[in-house]
Amino acid sequence: DAGVIQSPRHEVTEMGQEVTLRCKPISGHDYLFWYRQTMMRGLELLIYFNNNVPIDDSGMPEDRFSAKMPNASFSTLKIQPSEPRDSAVYFCASSTETIPSEVYEQYFGPGTRLTVT
Amino acid sequence: AQSVTQLDSQVPVFEEAPVELRCNYSSSVSVYLFWYVQYPNQGLQLLLKYLSGSTLVKGINGFEAEFNKSQTSFHLRKPSVHISDTAEYFCAVSNQPEAAGNKLTFGGGTRVLVKP
Repeated sequence: DAGVIQSPRHEVTEMGQEVTLRCKPISGHDYLFWYRQTMMRGLELLIYFNNNVPIDDSGMPEDRFSAKMPNASFSTLKIQPSEPRDSAVYFCASSTETIPSEVYEQYFGPGTRLTVT
Repeated sequence: AQSVTQLDSQVPVFEEAPVELRCNYSSSVSVYLFWYVQYPNQGLQLLLKYLSGSTLVKGINGFEAEFNKSQTSFHLRKPSVHISDTAEYFCAVSNQPEAAGNKLTFGGGTRVLVKP
């Protein structure tokens, strides 16, 4: 398997623009997580899905952020409108409960570095 | 609610010297514990995990960690580091038994800089 795939790897946009980050989890994984990493706040869980259903979105900063998972192989994180304080590295991770040796192990993608000017 | 504290934000260490990264957690229930490593410009990858059984856990790249329930700690050690161990290390915890749907709580991270 190619691992968790994220696109784009880098995104530079102007304040006020819409930004869409994409994630393809590992095939067969039934959990998907979106994280944000900054120097000031460290690694924060934004939202996670189980079988394509959002389970906990308490980490989503505000209404400007939204996430969807239309099917088991694709998820998006959208920011509209974007602001400079959204600049961060956004990670997607996936995991499964169906393989006992991998229970609770999250596999991370390479991240998307977002810069909002 | 659970929380994870990594007491050292940065740890400089010379090549071939030992290193210990400290991690303490707080939780009202039993937990599963993890150490992840993040190399520059990459995502996190699992080093090792404690679910049950022996309190000494061995992971990849020569790392090991010891679970101490009475001290609520899960410190990470390596007897001899290499330049390639330069990275950021994250301790994480998840509640038993249902693990809140695989949800993890991460510590703030410890940057390890290995010097020649």
